[in-house]
Amino acid sequence: AQSVAQPEDQVNVAEGNPLTVKCTYSVSGNPYLFWYVQYPNRGLQFLLKYITGDNLVKGSYGFEAEFNKSQTSFHLKKPSALVSDSALYFCAVRDIGGDSWGKLQFGAGTQVVVTP
Amino acid sequence: EPEVTQTPSHQVTQMGQEVILRCVPISNHLYFYWYRQILGQKVEFLVSFYNNEISEKSEIFDDQFSVERPDGSNFTLKIRSTKLEDSAMYFCASSELPQSYNEQFFGPGTRLTVL
Repeated sequence: AQSVAQPEDQVNVAEGNPLTVKCTYSVSGNPYLFWYVQYPNRGLQFLLKYITGDNLVKGSYGFEAEFNKSQTSFHLKKPSALVSDSALYFCAVRDIGGDSWGKLQFGAGTQVVVTP
Repeated sequence: EPEVTQTPSHQVTQMGQEVILRCVPISNHLYFYWYRQILGQKVEFLVSFYNNEISEKSEIFDDQFSVERPDGSNFTLKIRSTKLEDSAMYFCASSELPQSYNEQFFGPGTRLTVL
């Protein structure tokens, strides 16, 4: 069975400071990993994904994430946060070695609050 | 930029009534999904649909739920007899190909309130 953990309900950061949103996963095979962002009253917007290759993946809006197989983590990062980055962030995993190759398993979400 | 659309944005219904939630996936996408998010909880997978068949469904997706692609553009989720616990935000998603490395694109959601 696959699962995702986002250990922080909320992350507070001042504008201009680096932002990190943590995610760890558990899968039976190899993972495909995704980050999505949800703004108020909006759907989930895709940010980036890790499939294979370089452990550092770059995505939309200046975000990047680092895949660490030994720590089973896929933390989302942004070098300099903006107030407009304030939103709910979801990590998701798809287990390509398990019995499901379609559905996404989501974490509980982390609320990011960026203060001016 | 193409996007997934959903109607209505908010649906209020009485317990026991049938509801149909509608989605228009991105036009060249072939793989469709429904997820739901109960207030304050995780986004949960309900069902995936490809080539006019259900590919996978979760334990949540019981006999009260059904999906259909009635024409070339719409993808619907029907709940036959709504329960209070069906109150949630329902998200439709689509992906271009059924390969599991393709990201899914989500609609804005339909908030279902069952009274």
